[in-house]
Amino acid sequence: GENVEQHPSTLSVQEGDSAVIKCTYSDSASNYFPWYKQELGKGPQLIIDIRSNVGEKKDQRIAVTLNKTAKHFSLHITETQPEDSAVYFCAASKGGGSYIPTFGRGTSLIVHP
Amino acid sequence: DSGVTQTPKHLITATGQRVTLRCSPRSGDLSVYWYQQSLDQGLQFLIQYYNGEERAKGNILERFSAQQFPDLHSELNLSSLELGDSALYFCASSVGSGIAGELFFGEGSRLTVL
Repeated sequence: GENVEQHPSTLSVQEGDSAVIKCTYSDSASNYFPWYKQELGKGPQLIIDIRSNVGEKKDQRIAVTLNKTAKHFSLHITETQPEDSAVYFCAASKGGGSYIPTFGRGTSLIVHP
Repeated sequence: DSGVTQTPKHLITATGQRVTLRCSPRSGDLSVYWYQQSLDQGLQFLIQYYNGEERAKGNILERFSAQQFPDLHSELNLSSLELGDSALYFCASSVGSGIAGELFFGEGSRLTVL
């Protein structure tokens, strides 16, 4: 089955800095890559996603890049703010009846004011 | 608020016992997914139901079972509980199945087995 590796497990930055979280996946058939943000005491919430026919997608301060050849994708957060502090999960999924995301183990992002 | 409701929020029980976790999906969503979140394993997919029928199975133990009822709410039953079953259990829902898109997660049920 699919295996998603995520790094780093913890990332500490100063407010205003950029943050980058990287993930690799194993199944070349995966074609949908969502990113979820989990705040303390809450469930994960989708913040951005990318499909395999696109190399990059941006939404305000958040961007995701995908390299299908290398089977890796990354989340970029610019101008970080304290409210960006949370656990971020990458995931990979493919069709065939159900798009069941396989999640990475998460990155705890801490933004210091 | 994702629109997904999970009960109970916290549950403490003893080894060997049985518990039931309940999930109400977002209005209009036909798919329900169950995930287990533990510190060392991250978010592990357990099982998916679509419109009352089992659609996909992940790393769900034989001691665990689930079902989705005609009103689309779902229950996850955990039996013969062990210390290692202590975790946060999430339910998520989506409109359909086989469509790449957002899963809406509830706030989870935290299970502690003593």
